[in-house]
Amino acid sequence: GENVGLHLPTLSVQEGDNSIINCAYSNSASDYFIWYKQESGKGPQFIIDIRSNMDKRQGQRVTVLLNKTVKHLSLQIAATQPGDSAVYFCAENLSQGAQKLVFGQGTRLTINP
Amino acid sequence: SAVISQKPSRDICQRGTSLTIQCQVDSQVTMMFWYRQQPGQSLTLIATANQGSEATYESGFVIDKFPISRPNLTFSTLTVSNMSPEDSSIYLCSVGISGHPNTEAFFGQGTRLTVV
Repeated sequence: GENVGLHLPTLSVQEGDNSIINCAYSNSASDYFIWYKQESGKGPQFIIDIRSNMDKRQGQRVTVLLNKTVKHLSLQIAATQPGDSAVYFCAENLSQGAQKLVFGQGTRLTINP
Repeated sequence: SAVISQKPSRDICQRGTSLTIQCQVDSQVTMMFWYRQQPGQSLTLIATANQGSEATYESGFVIDKFPISRPNLTFSTLTVSNMSPEDSSIYLCSVGISGHPNTEAFFGQGTRLTVV
């Protein structure tokens, strides 16, 4: 089907390697950040979130790092699998909720066999 | 979590016509939102669909172009009016589910609209 994000930055990694996807957010007052995964033809899927009073949070094979000093967010995916191929978006909000999310540009991750 | 169903999943429409997109949630939710994702772009919030009152629109979006209904806590519609090719996008319904400590946002699969 038609791909979402034809003009997005891309990242290609070998299957089994670790990947790091970066995001610069805009509002220094943002208090809550989320990473979403979007596969072709589907809506965004929640991966992991982090609040501004934390600098690191770990999930299953994923880690989110937050650097408020430089307004930078990263998503680390360990031991990538073919199913990790998708477009990844960061999103920010001014409160500890999911209302009125502001999404980043997105990065297309491709896993090479 | 929540199961969100959007109809139609895709459509091809003639310019000047209007399309109404439906969003059905499997549980009652307070917060419902509509987003637009233009080709090759990220998601942009169109409006918050308020149950029992007029929707709250973000800068750059107006009610005449994107009328929204929210008759109850499980259903909303977004109409794209007087369409032009620039309206070709994916339109996504989202709901906020209160959790502890945060409220999570869940998305429908989207409606892929092509205007010719």
